[in-house]
Amino acid sequence: GNSVTQMEGPVTLSEEAFLTINCTYTATGYPSLFWYVQYPGEGLQLLLKATKADDKGSNKGFEATYRKETTSFHLEKGSVQVSDSAVYFCAPRFNTGNQFYFGTGTSLTVIP
Amino acid sequence: DGGITQSPKYLFRKEGQNVTLSCEQNLNHDAMYWYRQDPGQGLRLIYYSQIVNDFQKGDIAEGYSVSREKKESFPLTVTSAQKNPTAFYLCASRLAGGPNEQFFGPGTRLTVL
Repeated sequence: GNSVTQMEGPVTLSEEAFLTINCTYTATGYPSLFWYVQYPGEGLQLLLKATKADDKGSNKGFEATYRKETTSFHLEKGSVQVSDSAVYFCAPRFNTGNQFYFGTGTSLTVIP
Repeated sequence: DGGITQSPKYLFRKEGQNVTLSCEQNLNHDAMYWYRQDPGQGLRLIYYSQIVNDFQKGDIAEGYSVSREKKESFPLTVTSAQKNPTAFYLCASRLAGGPNEQFFGPGTRLTVL
């Protein structure tokens, strides 16, 4: 069946550190892949997306590459800022049905 | 400005009362969704609708009801049958077809006393 597994948090980093949040999925086909970010008390915002193998999504210094061979879509940022503190969700959209599957979320806190 | 609005931001109700959460979008999106989020947890799908006058149950539909009489509106009713209704509720919409992303509203925090 279809599923998504996301790295558990919480993650605490110092400002300017490198960030990786792992996300892997299982699927019968090739889903579209999304990362969303949620700031405290708010709804989710799209951070980036990739729709086919080897595509790289990028936004605000964050990047993620659609890796078909490892069924992964890891989120990375080279130098985090305090303003990046939020919860990050990996969300594949599988080709069967019209639903998104959300990972459990990874809470990131960046300290000065 | 186009977007999704949810009202109210905070809602308090007594146990045993039904309550309706509003979700409106002016993005001309076909599909709309309701999710529930509990502290430290991911999103769980309650109901979704791909077209007016049609909707499907998600993973946790018990104790909830919805309607989709207009394209722009998708209200969620939390009934007294929902055992643990206190949560953060998120509404989302998307343009049908293709790898289009979901757009989310700001959420409604429901507290049942």
